[in-house]
Amino acid sequence: AQTVTQSQPEMSVQEAETVTLSCTYDTSENNYYLFWYKQPPSRQMILVIRQEAYKQQNATENRFSVNFQKAAKSFSLKISDSQLGDTAMYFCAFCKGTDKLIFGTGTRLQVFP
Amino acid sequence: DADVTQTPRNRITKTGKRIMLECSQTKGHDRMYWYRQDPGLGLRLIYYSFDVKDINKGEISDGYSVSRQAQAKFSLSLESAIPNQTALYFCATSGSPGQWADTQYFGPGTRLTVL
Repeated sequence: AQTVTQSQPEMSVQEAETVTLSCTYDTSENNYYLFWYKQPPSRQMILVIRQEAYKQQNATENRFSVNFQKAAKSFSLKISDSQLGDTAMYFCAFCKGTDKLIFGTGTRLQVFP
Repeated sequence: DADVTQTPRNRITKTGKRIMLECSQTKGHDRMYWYRQDPGLGLRLIYYSFDVKDINKGEISDGYSVSRQAQAKFSLSLESAIPNQTALYFCATSGSPGQWADTQYFGPGTRLTVL
């Protein structure tokens, strides 16, 4: 069975600085997808970034980028130029094709002025 | 307008009551999902449906049932609510043709409290 582990329950960063959130996963699959979702205090689950396992190139989305290490089964999220609006819970998730998402337990990120 | 809507947004009910949570989507997606979020546990899958005639149990389906009334509508029912079903419930959809069929998009969530 697939599992997703986020080992950092809480992180903090100063505005305009860079922060990296960690995620590891366990699977025997070769083709799959990885996601980072953001959940601000409004509780909405918002897609941040998506990575296809068969692509070696790391995904980027504006200030958000990932470091995808397939062999190590690692999928970290880097947030550059952190903004106060980035304060949220961040969830890493694994999906095998169009199947269900397997979520980690989340990392609470606080951005300080 | 939101692509994925959930009603109600908040609900307080009593133990033993039957309650239905509804989800509608205008994204044209085939696949719909119900998840439950508890503090410290992330989101866990309750049920999912790949089309109107296809319903599947997730990892925590006990105590829940679902109905896929149409491609755009997927309801979750608690036949006899109990306090440990107090949680935040999310509906999600996926299945755009072509690119990103694997990506799930979430509704705003329903906060359910069972007293």
